[in-house]
Amino acid sequence: NAGVTQTPKFRILKIGQSMTLQCTQDMNHNYMYWYRQDPGMGLKLIYYSVGAGITDKGEVPNGYNVSRSTTEDFPLRLELAAPSQTSVYFCATSGVGTGELFFGEGSRLTVL
Amino acid sequence: AQSVAQPEDQVNVAEGNPLTVKCTYSVSGNPYLFWYVQYPNRGLQFLLKYITGDNLVKGSYGFEAEFNKSQTSFHLKKPSALVSDSALYFCAVRDMGAYSGAGSYQLTFGKGTKLSVIP
Repeated sequence: NAGVTQTPKFRILKIGQSMTLQCTQDMNHNYMYWYRQDPGMGLKLIYYSVGAGITDKGEVPNGYNVSRSTTEDFPLRLELAAPSQTSVYFCATSGVGTGELFFGEGSRLTVL
Repeated sequence: AQSVAQPEDQVNVAEGNPLTVKCTYSVSGNPYLFWYVQYPNRGLQFLLKYITGDNLVKGSYGFEAEFNKSQTSFHLKKPSALVSDSALYFCAVRDMGAYSGAGSYQLTFGKGTKLSVIP
C-alpha cells in the first residue's frame, strides 16, 4: 500500500500564479486534511474533509481552496500565489476512531 | 479551545542517556494526546497516543510517554537514546469533548522540539 501520496514534492511559483497540490490515499479513510508547516510554527490546519463532497475551513484557509469529489483524492488549490504561501504542505488522513493521522511526505512550495 | 506547548525548542542528550521531551496541553474536556516524529525532508510519523487507561503509554522505537492529568502534561521519554533518534518531535492534542460540526478529528500541534543525540 502506498498510503498517502502527494505531488509534486517541490515547486517554485511566481507571485500571482496558480497551482494545485495533489493528494491521494489508498487507506479508505473518510477524513482528510491539509496542513502547512513553517519553521518554528508547528503545523497549521488549512482545510479538512470528512468525506466525499464535504469540506470545511481550518485555522488558516485564506488563499486556498479544496474539493473532495472522491474518497481517495483531496487536492489543494492556490489561486493567486503570494510569498506568504511559501511553506511545506502536508496532506494527512484518519479513519473513524481516535484520530491518529497518517501523513504524506510533503510538498515544498516556494513563491518568488 | 485546545492548545499544546512544547517549552523546549531543542533538546541535546548524549547517546545512551535517558531523554525527555516535554509537552503540556490545555483542553476544556478530556484529551486525546499524541506524539509524532519527523525526520528531515519526511512527513510526520505516529509514535504513540494516550486515549484513556494506564497513564504510561508505550509506543514505537522504545519510546514511552506519561500522562499526568494534574499537571496537564504528556512528556515523551526513552530510557536510552540512540543517534538515530535525532529528529523533530511534535506533541498534539484533541479534545475528546469537542465535536466540530461534521465530526472531524482536528488535532492541534505544538511547535516541535528538535532532539539531537550526541555520539
